[in-house]
Amino acid sequence: DTAVSQTPKYLVTQMGNDKSIKCEQNLGHDTMYWYKQDSKKFLKIMFSYNNKELIINETVPNRFSPKSPDKAHLNLHINSLELGDSAVYFCASSEGTLMFYGYTFGSGTRLTVV
Amino acid sequence: AQKVTQAQTEISVVEKEDVTLDCVYETRDTTYYLFWYKQPPSGELVFLIRRNSFDEQNEISGRYSWNFQKSTSSFNFTITASQVVDSAVYFCALSALIGGGADGLTFGKGTHLIIQP
Repeated sequence: DTAVSQTPKYLVTQMGNDKSIKCEQNLGHDTMYWYKQDSKKFLKIMFSYNNKELIINETVPNRFSPKSPDKAHLNLHINSLELGDSAVYFCASSEGTLMFYGYTFGSGTRLTVV
Repeated sequence: AQKVTQAQTEISVVEKEDVTLDCVYETRDTTYYLFWYKQPPSGELVFLIRRNSFDEQNEISGRYSWNFQKSTSSFNFTITASQVVDSAVYFCALSALIGGGADGLTFGKGTHLIIQP
């Protein structure tokens, strides 16, 4: 029943590894997002997808690649992980362009790179 | 470019005191949404309120109230009779209305509110 679900909730991995975080929403929303929250709690948008098309790609290293197989899923793949990638990553979704009721966030994935 | 400023990094009050969290925003859009989110120690983002730029009415929800003033580009949040459970980081955020909000949210840096018993 969770509206926006992210897996895994916690991820500990070594530098240099490749990892993925999955996000699924069952709200029928058209737009999905990835946000990064750093160690100082600052939240910043990374990507926005609308109907599987990339809308926003903020200044994010090329090692981060979002993939949207369908409207309900937006996964985040990270190559060659670095210590600075340690953060909490939030997935979110929102209604499409005709109606807007705000954003629904997942519970976050805490990524720790050691 | 959009910007949200929460000048108060941390506020500490004693339980039952009233506390106001400040939020000042900048945008060139004429239509936009403003939000407040609460992030308790458990880490999830809890939605508190959404207000569009055409609705300057203040809102009250229980012990929470919000004061939106376009003239000063502010959207302040007041907790009346604070409780220990209100301890959290509070974020103010802005979203352009155009595009159905698909540009996402611009967040302030957050205010860490500590309510002491």
